[in-house]
Parts: sequence; C-alpha cells; structure tokens
Amino acid sequence: EAQVTQNPRYLITVTGKKLTVTCSQNMNHEYMSWYRQDPGLGLRQIYYSMNVEVTDKGDVPEGYKVSRKEKRNFPLILESPSPNQTSLYFCASSFAGGPEQYFGPGTRLTVT
Amino acid sequence: KQEVTQIPAALSVPEGENLVLNCSFTDSAIYNLQWFRQDPGKGLTSLLLIQSSQREQTSGRLNASLDKSSGRSTLYIAASQPGDSATYLCAVYRDTGNQFYFGTGTSLTVIP
Repeated sequence: EAQVTQNPRYLITVTGKKLTVTCSQNMNHEYMSWYRQDPGLGLRQIYYSMNVEVTDKGDVPEGYKVSRKEKRNFPLILESPSPNQTSLYFCASSFAGGPEQYFGPGTRLTVT
Repeated sequence: KQEVTQIPAALSVPEGENLVLNCSFTDSAIYNLQWFRQDPGKGLTSLLLIQSSQREQTSGRLNASLDKSSGRSTLYIAASQPGDSATYLCAVYRDTGNQFYFGTGTSLTVIP
C-alpha cells in the first residue's frame, strides 16, 4: 500500500531533550517536506527536500534540522525542543514538480 | 510571499444542501492547487488537484474550479451529507521556490 508513515504518533518531552521524528514513504517520491499545524495559523512548511542530499528551508525552519540521506526517509530533528514547538507535525511527499502531495498521519508533539 | 485565505472559517448547513467553499491566493504564478480534507486529529486526504492549465476538476459530488487571473478557487459540494463534516484546506504550489502554501481551512458541519 502506498503510504507515508511517521513515528512516533504522539510524543511528550521536556525542554532541551533532543528528539527525532521519522518519516518514510514507499512511493519513490523525490519531494518530501515537513509541516507544522497550529490553531489559527494553518499548516506552515518547515523544511523540504527536492531529492537525496538536497534540502531547503520553508517558512518556519528555526529550531529544526532535517537530513535526506536516502530517498525514502526524511527525519525531522529538534536538537533542543522548546514549548513553542508544541504542535501537530505532518510529513508529506510527492513526485518532483509539485503534483499531488501525500500526507502522513501526523505526530502530536508536546514540549513541557 | 504567497498568502492563502479561506472564507468562511466555519460553516454549518443542513443535510442535503449544496455548498461552496472559497480559497483565494495573492500570487497568481502557481503551478497547481490542491484541496484536502482533514478529520479531527487525523492527517490530510487529497480530494482534488487542479493544474494551472486547468479550469476545474470533478470527483463524485465534489467540483473544484480555478481562476488563476483572479486568484480564486472554489470547492463545490453537492447534496451534502453528515459524513462530509470535516475541515477543508486548499494549498497552492509554486514551481519557483518549490514551496506549498496552505490556507487556514474551513470547518464544515453538516447537520442531519
């Protein structure tokens, strides 16, 4: 089944404790991206990747890191999480050129 | 920077009504526009994708139109059902910059 998977689905952590949210897709998509969704602000793009070893900042990259060592995986790294990073995070993928995006189920992160 | 607006923010209608959701964007240089559905606490499900060269797309009871020159898209839902209750999001993609921009969504409630 074609899908985008994220792990974990729910995470509660404390300020400053490094964490990684994994994202994997099985559709051979070149383009992958991370979003955060906050009430009243909608979805905002954090980082995106056009292909392996090619990443770029979205609208809200501060406090996040990404890497794209393999085509199927695009982990999101929070080196020192802060409470303002409490949010619902989505990973998405598509073929290059911007056609239909496919979304993962989301990761709800709470930083205390 | 691309701004995407969705009006109304919330809509409540009785079952069986036809309804229109609106999406407007500030920069007409888009590659495509995609409509999504999001159920509470869940991920995004793609409904319709309209390429910039197209004027509309249809899927079942859903019809989406695109007017690039005026920066508008509409999602028409015919004969609404309680199962249509969800938040509907539109997103535009610019091939220059390779970024997606989302609206804040319209929360739809269909009353039985």
